[in-house]
Amino acid sequence: AQSVTQLDSQVPVFEEAPVELRCNYSSSVSVYLFWYVQYPNQGLQLLLKYLSGSTLVKGINGFEAEFNKSQTSFHLRKPSVHISDTAEYFCAVSRSDKLIFGTGTRLQVFP
Amino acid sequence: DTGVSQDPRHKITKRGQNVTFRCDPISEHNRLYWYRQTLGQGPEFLTYFQNEAQLEKSRLLSDRFSAERPKGSFSTLEIQRTEQGDSAMYLCASRSTGEGTEAFFGQGTRLTVV
Repeated sequence: AQSVTQLDSQVPVFEEAPVELRCNYSSSVSVYLFWYVQYPNQGLQLLLKYLSGSTLVKGINGFEAEFNKSQTSFHLRKPSVHISDTAEYFCAVSRSDKLIFGTGTRLQVFP
Repeated sequence: DTGVSQDPRHKITKRGQNVTFRCDPISEHNRLYWYRQTLGQGPEFLTYFQNEAQLEKSRLLSDRFSAERPKGSFSTLEIQRTEQGDSAMYLCASRSTGEGTEAFFGQGTRLTVV
């Protein structure tokens, strides 16, 4: 079975600082991995996805993630965050045509 | 296309009442999904359709829940005899067939059962 673990429930950071949101997955087969962002009272928006190929994936809003098969990780990074990045971030794995989500990481950016 | 739309955005109901939510997917998407999200949790899969066929239902979907997509376009999710534990955000998503294609989410319907 596939599952997703987001190790940090909350990540506080100051504006313009770098950030990393951690995600580990468990799977015995090839995976498709996704990061979604959710702003308050909104649906989810895709930040980036890994299907195959280059392990460094670039997404929207300056975010990127690195697929690491040996460590079964897909951590999300941004070199310099903005106040507007404050949101909930979800890592997900695709299994049997549906998404399995982690419990989310709340990114709080302070001025 | 304006994306995935859900109606209503908010619903407050008394325990024991029935509620119905609607989802209009992106028109060219043949896959439609329902997820439930409770506070502090990630979305949990409930069910999905390919065109009008309901292909999978989660064990989370009790007998009080039913979903339809009669013409392969919009979908409805009905909850009968609501319970306080049904209070959650109900999210709809749609996507095209194909490995790894992006799922587009609606803004959700927030249900509060009092």
